[in-house]
Amino acid sequence: GESVGLHLPTLSVQEGDNSIINCAYSNSASDYFIWYKQESGKGPQFIIDIRSNMDKRQGQRVTVLLNKTVKHLSLQIAATQPGDSAVYFCAEGGWNTDKLIFGTGTRLQVFP
Amino acid sequence: GAGVSQTPSNKVTEKGKYVELRCDPISGHTALYWYRQSLGQGPEFLIYFQGTGAADDSGLPNDRFFAVRPEGSVSTLKIQRTERGDSAVYLCASSSTENTEAFFGQGTRLTVV
Repeated sequence: GESVGLHLPTLSVQEGDNSIINCAYSNSASDYFIWYKQESGKGPQFIIDIRSNMDKRQGQRVTVLLNKTVKHLSLQIAATQPGDSAVYFCAEGGWNTDKLIFGTGTRLQVFP
Repeated sequence: GAGVSQTPSNKVTEKGKYVELRCDPISGHTALYWYRQSLGQGPEFLIYFQGTGAADDSGLPNDRFFAVRPEGSVSTLKIQRTERGDSAVYLCASSSTENTEAFFGQGTRLTVV
């Protein structure tokens, strides 16, 4: 199948380590943010979201941090596993827009 | 329940031909989105439906692209006079309302030769 993100920034981590993927968003009016995971040949899969009235949100093994001052979003994955290998996209939306705008993506590679 | 379903999964067509791509959203989802994803890029917004109406079609690249959602459920993206530059993965997503979690289908990979 088609490979997603052949020329994307790549983060390589060892299995069991924590991963941090960063994203700079563009619109200061955005108030809703989502992280998606995309495996080759598949559509993006929702991981976690956060609204602008929060600066941190935790899920199962994942944490999203939002810094509105510098328009920065990060995704932390604890105890990274081989199944976490994929391309990760951040997306932003807001009260004044009806669509999500996606970032360029980061490829996460997990090696044993 | 079923997720977002897109058909066909792959479509190869000749330059100049007409194609239709179908999206079956999650039942009950009123918001439906079409995105296009080129190799190595994030998805790019094309059009958004709220119910039957196209609430925002600002992402459609030109008038060769058109989409409908006549009954507020299934949507069809139509591309006339296809060009090689139209080759991409076309993704459909649906959500219960706008600006909430959007669920994506697996996409249709369109190749124009």
